[in-house]
Amino acid sequence: NAGVTQTPKFQVLKTGQSMTLQCAQDMNHNSMYWYRQDPGMGLRLIYYSASEGTTDKGEVPNGYNVSRLNKREFSLRLESAAPSQTSVYFCASRPTRGRQSNEQFFGPGTRLTVL
Amino acid sequence: SQQGEEDPQALSIQEGENATMNCSYKTSINNLQWYRQNSGRGLVHLILIRSNEREKHSGRLRVTLDTSKKSSSLLITASRAADTASYFCATSGGGADGLTFGKGTHLIIQP
Repeated sequence: NAGVTQTPKFQVLKTGQSMTLQCAQDMNHNSMYWYRQDPGMGLRLIYYSASEGTTDKGEVPNGYNVSRLNKREFSLRLESAAPSQTSVYFCASRPTRGRQSNEQFFGPGTRLTVL
Repeated sequence: SQQGEEDPQALSIQEGENATMNCSYKTSINNLQWYRQNSGRGLVHLILIRSNEREKHSGRLRVTLDTSKKSSSLLITASRAADTASYFCATSGGGADGLTFGKGTHLIIQP
């Protein structure tokens, strides 16, 4: 199993450009999450999807949109990138049943720079 | 806003010594979790303690929780160079909504 995969690993954008960050998990998890991590900070929740077909805003949703394409995939879109969105973006997934149902499994991250 | 605050922000100790990190949080929780992040990598789950538990052990890890003080501590015993990483506490209300993270403690183990 690959776990949680994210593409791309690195990206540089100019202000105003758009892009989509891709995330996929092969663990049959119901819930998926997008976080951002800024230097010296913990992770902050952008959006989450409790189950296929649902999405909800987290702490810092402004400037982002998400799509839960199917149970495996959860994408994050920046419609018009701003320098304040320079960050490392992490996708995570979580089973909602079983012994590990509170644990989140993280991808390796996407390092995004907006010039 | 960040839920938790870790203390200290940075900690440097000698290999073999014990490392203790503290976390405070603001609201009621269902559980509190600790994660490790190696430089440039994603987070890895270490241990979870539920709000009705006071102490939990896993290998060289010991976590305590004091809900009256809204605080937790993580103890790593007999530290190794490979323990060098950032450690984050994260709280959960128990539902499918996301975790709320602290700012982390950067731990350096000197060989």
